[in-house]
Order: sequence, then structure tokens, then C-alpha cells
Amino acid sequence: AQSVTQLGSHVSVSEGALVLLRCNYSSSVPPYLFWYVQYPNQGLQLLLKYTTGATLVKGINGFEAEFKKSETSFHLTKPSAHMSDAAEYFCAVSDDYGQNFVFGPGTRLSVLP
Amino acid sequence: DAGVTQSPTHLIKTRGQHVTLRCSPISGHKSVSWYQQVLGQGPQFIFQYYEKEERGRGNFPDRFSARQFPNYSSELNVNALLLGDSALYLCASSFLLAGGPSYNEQFFGPGTRLTVL
Repeated sequence: AQSVTQLGSHVSVSEGALVLLRCNYSSSVPPYLFWYVQYPNQGLQLLLKYTTGATLVKGINGFEAEFKKSETSFHLTKPSAHMSDAAEYFCAVSDDYGQNFVFGPGTRLSVLP
Repeated sequence: DAGVTQSPTHLIKTRGQHVTLRCSPISGHKSVSWYQQVLGQGPQFIFQYYEKEERGRGNFPDRFSARQFPNYSSELNVNALLLGDSALYLCASSFLLAGGPSYNEQFFGPGTRLTVL
């Protein structure tokens, strides 16, 4: 069975600081990996995804993530946090052509002025 | 183009009642999936439908059922509501069932927030 863990249910950074949100997964088959963002009272928006090929994936709003198979990790980073980045971030894994996701518990990112 | 739409936005029910949630996929999308997101947790997969047939089911009791209509819209039904069914119910649509996420992104609607009293 697949699973996703996200270290830190709440992360606070200062505006302009590095954002690092951690995601580790377990999967018996090569996974598809995703990061979604959820703003208050809204649905999920895809930030980026890893399918095959290059292990460093660039997404929207300056975010990127690196797939490390040996560490079973897919950590999300952004060099410089902006106030608008404050939201809930979910890591997800799928082995079913990206259809039926297993989501992590989420990390709430706060950005301090 | 309109994205995935869900109705109603909010809903309040009492224990033991039945509820129907509705989802309209993006035009041209044939696959619809339902997720339950309890407050403070990540979404959990409930069902996937493609071309009006159930193609996947998560670990939810039989009180949960769904169907997909010829126009690819979908309903999620929950019977005998429990307090623990209070959650945000998310619908997601995609064009295909398979084909891989390189070609086949799943788009999420804003959700229906269900409160069971």
C-alpha cells in the first residue's frame, strides 16, 4: 500500500526566507508524485508533479521539488517566501496513472512579515 | 471555460439523514473522482467513475455511493449520516482514465462542506 508522510504539520518562515516542506512516500511501484496547494475555503491547485524523466521538477509560483528515489523523498522548496504563499500544502502519490491519489496529512505554511 | 463545479457549497444535516452532493466536470472530461477531507487532514479517495462505470473505490462503508450520468456529471450519496461524516467533499475531473499524468491532469473543484449535527 502506498503512504505519504509530511514532516511538520505547521511551518513558519519569514518573508524572503527559504521555504522547505518535507514529503516522504512509500510505494511498491515507481510512483507519480504531486504537490498541491489549498487556500482557505478553496479546492486543491496543482503546484507541480513528477512523472518520469528529470528528477528536479519546477512548478508554478517559483516552487520546485526534487525526486530522490534512494531517500523516497519529494521535498518542496522555494528560494524566497512571499506572503501570498501562506496556505496548506499537500504531497500526494499515485501509482494509477495519477488518478487515485494518496495524500499526506498536509503542512500549513505561515509567512511572517 | 468553467472549471469543476460542485453544489451545494455548504450543507447542514442531522445524524441519520441522507445527503446528495453534485459535481459537474470540466467540459470534455469523462472521469470524476470523489475525495473526503476531514478538517486538519489530507483528502481521502472515495470513488472514481469513468464513462458511467465505477473504476475505483476507497476504504469507505457502503453508506457511501455514487453514480455518473451520461453527461459525465456525478452525484455522491451518503446515507445514515454520522457526526464523523462532517468534512469537505472534493470532486476532481480528468479527461481520461489512463494515459498517465504527463497527459492527464486531475482538476479539483472547490468542494462541498458538509456539517452533520
